[in-house]
Amino acid sequence: GAVVSQHPSWVICKSGTSVKIECRSLDFQATTMFWYRQFPKQSLMLMATSNEGSKATYEQGVEKDKFLINHASLTLSTLTVTSAHPEDSSFYICSEPGQGTDTQYFGPGTRLTVL
Amino acid sequence: AQKITQTQPGMFVQEKEAVTLDCTYDTSDQSYGLFWYKQPSSGEMIFLIYQGSYDEQNATEGRYSLNFQKARKSANLVISASQLGDSAMYFCAMRGMNSGGSNYKLTFGKGTLLTVNP
Repeated sequence: GAVVSQHPSWVICKSGTSVKIECRSLDFQATTMFWYRQFPKQSLMLMATSNEGSKATYEQGVEKDKFLINHASLTLSTLTVTSAHPEDSSFYICSEPGQGTDTQYFGPGTRLTVL
Repeated sequence: AQKITQTQPGMFVQEKEAVTLDCTYDTSDQSYGLFWYKQPSSGEMIFLIYQGSYDEQNATEGRYSLNFQKARKSANLVISASQLGDSAMYFCAMRGMNSGGSNYKLTFGKGTLLTVNP
C-alpha cells in the first residue's frame, strides 16, 4: 500500500491566492522529506528539503518566501505556494527517504493550476 | 555535483520483446545509489529497481534488470517481455553519499517515453 499521501491531488485557484499542499508519511517517521516540481513533459526538479523541527533547505533559484515549507511533525510536511501565479502551475510531488539507503517513496502528486 | 543523462527521449518496442533504456551518470561521490522509476500518465512515481555502487551483482526485480557498468558510469534498465502496460515515462535517478554525511535527495535524468506497440 501507499506509504506517502498527498492532499489535495489537484487544485485550481485564482492568481494571487495561496495554496497549501500536505504530504504525509504513513509508515515512517520522516525527519526529512523532499519537495519536487515537474512541469509538463519535463523531469522532476528538487525544490527543497524539508527538515522536521528546523528550517527547510531550498535549492538554488527557488524562492523561499514564495514556497513556504513547514515540517512540524515527523509525519507531516506542508508546502504553501503563496500569491500563486499562472507560471506556478505545475505538478508538485513529495517524497520521503524511507529507512534504508535503497528506498525513496513518492507521494501521488498534486496538480496545481493557477488561473 | 551529480548529473544523470538519458539520451533517448522516446523509445518504441513491440509487445513481448525486450527493451533497453539508457542511463549514464556522473558523480564525484565514492558511494552512491541508482534508481529507476516509472511514471504513467497519472503522474505517480513507481519505484522499479535500485543498484548500489558497491553492489557486485546487477540488480533484478521481476521483468526489470539493471545493467550496471561502473567503469563506464552507465546504469541501463532492461525490461524483458514488454507489456502494453509498460508504456510510460521512465526516469533514471541518482542519490549520492557525500563525505561527512548522507544526502538522500535524488537527481533525475530527463526521462525516456516508452511506447509498447501491440
